[in-house]
Amino acid sequence: DTGVSQDPRHKITKRGQNVTFRCDPISEHNRLYWYRQTLGQGPEFLTYFQNEAQLEKSRLLSDRFSAERPKGSFSTLEIQRTEQGDSAMYLCASSLSWGRETQYFGPGTRLLVL
Amino acid sequence: GQQLNQSPQSMFIQEGEDVSMNCTSSSIFNTWLWYKQDPGEGPVLLIALYKAGELTSNGRLTAQFGITRKDSFLNISASIPSDVGIYFCAGLVGNMLTFGGGTRLMVKP
Repeated sequence: DTGVSQDPRHKITKRGQNVTFRCDPISEHNRLYWYRQTLGQGPEFLTYFQNEAQLEKSRLLSDRFSAERPKGSFSTLEIQRTEQGDSAMYLCASSLSWGRETQYFGPGTRLLVL
Repeated sequence: GQQLNQSPQSMFIQEGEDVSMNCTSSSIFNTWLWYKQDPGEGPVLLIALYKAGELTSNGRLTAQFGITRKDSFLNISASIPSDVGIYFCAGLVGNMLTFGGGTRLMVKP
């Protein structure tokens, strides 16, 4: 399968714990995006990378959130001191930065904070 | 910020019927995308539109990029049970996708 992959698919954690999610983009895609989706809503943009550079961050991305893409391939999204309001589906997408910049999504990581 | 108004919010139709849904915005977008999402999964791209006025088909799906660049519609012809799911429009400007609230489609066999 050469699509976007995410790991884990599901995560249950207790409030206050740290969690880390991983995203592997489509191999030739140099842009990688993180979105958050709460129940009954469309995905909301969090941040994006072009290669290893983080070029844009949403106001939704509080100080407890940090994303990295150290080698310009896979990316991690860490949430520190999780809160119940962090419960959501975290989606990763990737695209090329030239031509038609169509974003392809992974299956998502569903986070539940108890 | 930018908002996409997607309608209808939900539809319950008979198998074989045609379906139409649309998105409108107060802002201009450079690209319109339509995705389908099944429960517990990520959005799957259905159709991408890159130019104002563009009309594109993908099997039983047809979508158009509005001339004003502020709207788009998606039509599904001859619906089948596997069309069930949530359909999202998304507009792209710069590097950020803005999503509509989704249209939940239910198909009665």
